[in-house]
Amino acid sequence: KAGVTQTPRYLIKTRGQQVTLSCSPISGHRSVSWYQQTPGQGLQFLFEYFSETQRNKGNFPGRFSGRQFSNSRSEMNVSTLELGDSALYLCASSLMGGSGNTIYFGEGSWLTVV
Amino acid sequence: QQQVKQSPQSLIVQKGGISIINCAYENTAFDYFPWYQQFPGKGPALLIAIRPDVSEKKEGRFTISFNKSAKQFSLHIMDSQPGDSATYFCAASIRTGTYKYIFGTGTRLKVLA
Repeated sequence: KAGVTQTPRYLIKTRGQQVTLSCSPISGHRSVSWYQQTPGQGLQFLFEYFSETQRNKGNFPGRFSGRQFSNSRSEMNVSTLELGDSALYLCASSLMGGSGNTIYFGEGSWLTVV
Repeated sequence: QQQVKQSPQSLIVQKGGISIINCAYENTAFDYFPWYQQFPGKGPALLIAIRPDVSEKKEGRFTISFNKSAKQFSLHIMDSQPGDSATYFCAASIRTGTYKYIFGTGTRLKVLA
């Protein structure tokens, strides 16, 4: 069974640009969540989608947005990039979401903003 | 109240020794506590998890100890090996009508050969 797939793996963007990251969950998983990982802040929850609906959102500015498609694939978008947005963005999928449901991470998309 | 505090930030252990990583939480609504292991360039992978109705869970060389009254839980790696060198994250999950995981800040473990 294929794992969580994230694309692109690496990208470099300029301040002010926008970026879209893609995530394909494990087949059959309906919940997709996104995390930002930085050396100083660890793993920070961005948002979670289930059946195309955002169910939960972390404390990030509105420049960070996401969506989920009918096939459970998800995208996240960051507009007006800032230097501080440089991070590893991790997508995780889960069968149904909910406490106790294991989340499985992809290998992440490394974003560098210059 | 939503934080999970993890310590130490980094840890160096001799091969064969015991690695111990601690986490503490405040919110008693947390009801699922997993540990994730992350190697460089990879996403975190579930290592072992525990629920608050159990005080200890062991899987191979990895053990979670859970102290509900103290609101603390810890990961013990017995007979630590160089291949265990990775970053470890504790986490807590809360069901708030939806769900989300709160992660600790991570512990970078280095096991010396």
